[in-house]
Amino acid sequence: KAGVTQTPRYLIKTRGQQVTLSCSPISGHRSVSWYQQTPGQGLQFLFEYFSETQRNKGNFPGRFSGRQFSNSRSEMNVSTLELGDSALYLCASSPRGDAVGETQYFGPGTRLLVL
Amino acid sequence: AQSVTQPDIHITVSEGASLELRCNYSYGATPYLFWYVQSPGQGLQLLLKYFSGDTLVQGIKGFEAEFKRSQSSFNLRKPSVHWSDAAEYFCAVGAVGGYNKLIFGAGTRLAVHP
Repeated sequence: KAGVTQTPRYLIKTRGQQVTLSCSPISGHRSVSWYQQTPGQGLQFLFEYFSETQRNKGNFPGRFSGRQFSNSRSEMNVSTLELGDSALYLCASSPRGDAVGETQYFGPGTRLLVL
Repeated sequence: AQSVTQPDIHITVSEGASLELRCNYSYGATPYLFWYVQSPGQGLQLLLKYFSGDTLVQGIKGFEAEFKRSQSSFNLRKPSVHWSDAAEYFCAVGAVGGYNKLIFGAGTRLAVHP
């Protein structure tokens, strides 16, 4: 099976712009989670989607949003970009997302640089 | 609140030496615990996980970890390190409320000397 894919891999934006990142989960996986990784804050959970519904959300401002499509692909959007949004954004997928100990498989990430 | 602590930010070992990376967690119930590895410019790869049963867990690439409830620890070990093991290692705990929310430690960067 192909792994989790994320596009684009690298992105440069300026403050105030918005950005959309895309994630395609492993075939058959219905749960998609997003994480932000920065040197200062480490890995932080953004949100999780299952069957087009957001089931869980981390402690991020409303500028961060996401959605999931019927084919389980997911997008996340960041509006009004700030310098502090520069990070590696990781997507992970799993079959159901609610089974004890279920493994999440991570994509390679999208590296966003905000200037 | 749930949390994960990895006390060592950087560790350097010689190739062939043994390795132990420390992880302590704070969690009210029986946790499920993970170790992931991240190579430069890459995503996270699962090394092993624990959620019940035998407290000594075997993983990929020769790694193992031991769950010790009394010490709230889940340390990662490898008997003989290879140069290709140089990477960053993250311990994580599955969060209360589930739905794939993982809480990660700050990570331990491993350097391997030839």
